[in-house]
Amino acid sequence: EAGVAQSPRYKIIEKRQSVAFWCNPISGHATLYWYQQILGQGPKLLIQFQNNGVVDDSQLPKDRFSAERLKGVDSTLKIQPAKLEDSAVYLCASSLREPAGGRPLGTQYFGPGTRLTVL
Amino acid sequence: GQNIDQPTEMTATEGAIVQINCTYQTSGFNGLFWYQQHAGEAPTFLSYNVLDGLEEKGRFSSFLSRSKGYSYLLLKELQMKDSASYLCAVREWEGGSYIPTFGRGTSLIVHP
Repeated sequence: EAGVAQSPRYKIIEKRQSVAFWCNPISGHATLYWYQQILGQGPKLLIQFQNNGVVDDSQLPKDRFSAERLKGVDSTLKIQPAKLEDSAVYLCASSLREPAGGRPLGTQYFGPGTRLTVL
Repeated sequence: GQNIDQPTEMTATEGAIVQINCTYQTSGFNGLFWYQQHAGEAPTFLSYNVLDGLEEKGRFSSFLSRSKGYSYLLLKELQMKDSASYLCAVREWEGGSYIPTFGRGTSLIVHP
């Protein structure tokens, strides 16, 4: 079974530039997550999709960050314009849709991440 | 919202046992996960608890007490390769979906 794919793996940009990340989840996984992980911290959920609908984006800085999952499969996360504090690893994860109140059918599977450096 | 607390760093000796604690405060608890993350790599799933008690899986065990908002991950027969960050993550049932929140992670250093 292929894992979660992300690209690019590394990106270096200057502040105020734009950048986009791409994620292709595991086939059949309805739920897709984007996380930001700053060095030395745990992953912070930016946005969660269920198929092509947004479930939670309460921690997404909407003035500069946007994400879409138009066909309910792969997804893109964009930052425009980037700030120095956006330097982090951006992780994409996917999971099966789980029944309410039940044990998880599967956990989240993470992609390798994109390491963004903003200069 | 959630508040998850775990120690920043721990050290242990190869072959020993280590317990990593996690406390949380949440309004709609619906499960707790432990993940392992080696430096420069993505997190990988270790364990899941939703009911009180101990879940054992090989050298790793995880315990949950919902009334106390407390969990621990127990690692036995430590190996050098267990040096990694261990992430506690809590999920809430909110608005028809599960929403996960991760702690900052505990960096475990295993020395000979």
